[in-house]
Amino acid sequence: DTGVSQDPRHKITKRGQNVTFRCDPISEHNRLYWYRQTLGQGPEFLTYFQNEAQLEKSRLLSDRFSAERPKGSFSTLEIQRTEQGDSAMYLCASSFGDRVYEQYFGPGTRLTVT
Amino acid sequence: AQSVTQPDIHITVSEGASLELRCNYSYGATPYLFWYVQSPGQGLQLLLKYFSGDTLVQGIKGFEAEFKRSQSSFNLRKPSVHWSDAAEYFCAVGAQPRGGKLIFGQGTELSVKP
Repeated sequence: DTGVSQDPRHKITKRGQNVTFRCDPISEHNRLYWYRQTLGQGPEFLTYFQNEAQLEKSRLLSDRFSAERPKGSFSTLEIQRTEQGDSAMYLCASSFGDRVYEQYFGPGTRLTVT
Repeated sequence: AQSVTQPDIHITVSEGASLELRCNYSYGATPYLFWYVQSPGQGLQLLLKYFSGDTLVQGIKGFEAEFKRSQSSFNLRKPSVHWSDAAEYFCAVGAQPRGGKLIFGQGTELSVKP
């Protein structure tokens, strides 16, 4: 078990471009979470999945953001028409069963929008 | 609304000295409380958690935390700090039963002097 992995680790994009991030949770973890962390702040919840169902979305997740977990395993987070304010670290976490708060975090994807 | 406050943005301690990081939460019911550590370039690692029962909880790496309901606090302590403890520390509260969403404080950066 290699833990939660995220790809890419760094992404630089120009404003207006679309980007997609991938998260592979720990195998057999049925819940997957996305958080966003800006400089000097703690992570902020974006959304979470139980298996393939997206159960909650934060108001931070504007219409330009979409997340999927099509087969209940890996997840993708897409940002369309990126803006400079989207620059942040995007963190993925997973948990198993009813231990929903025991979340294991990946290393994150750092997005820079120029 | 639930919230977490970490009053100290940055703390410096000497190696071998004791450490206490403060955390205050706002939550109506009995909270689920957590401390995470984030080293540069690393994901968040769970140090310890409190759900119920004994108000003094032990975690990994020699850390402990004490839940004080009367003060709405969950301070993190370590008797003797090592240089490798230098990192960012985040306190978090579980926002709702079974949901899994974590609400984080803004973090305390710990520096360790030799």
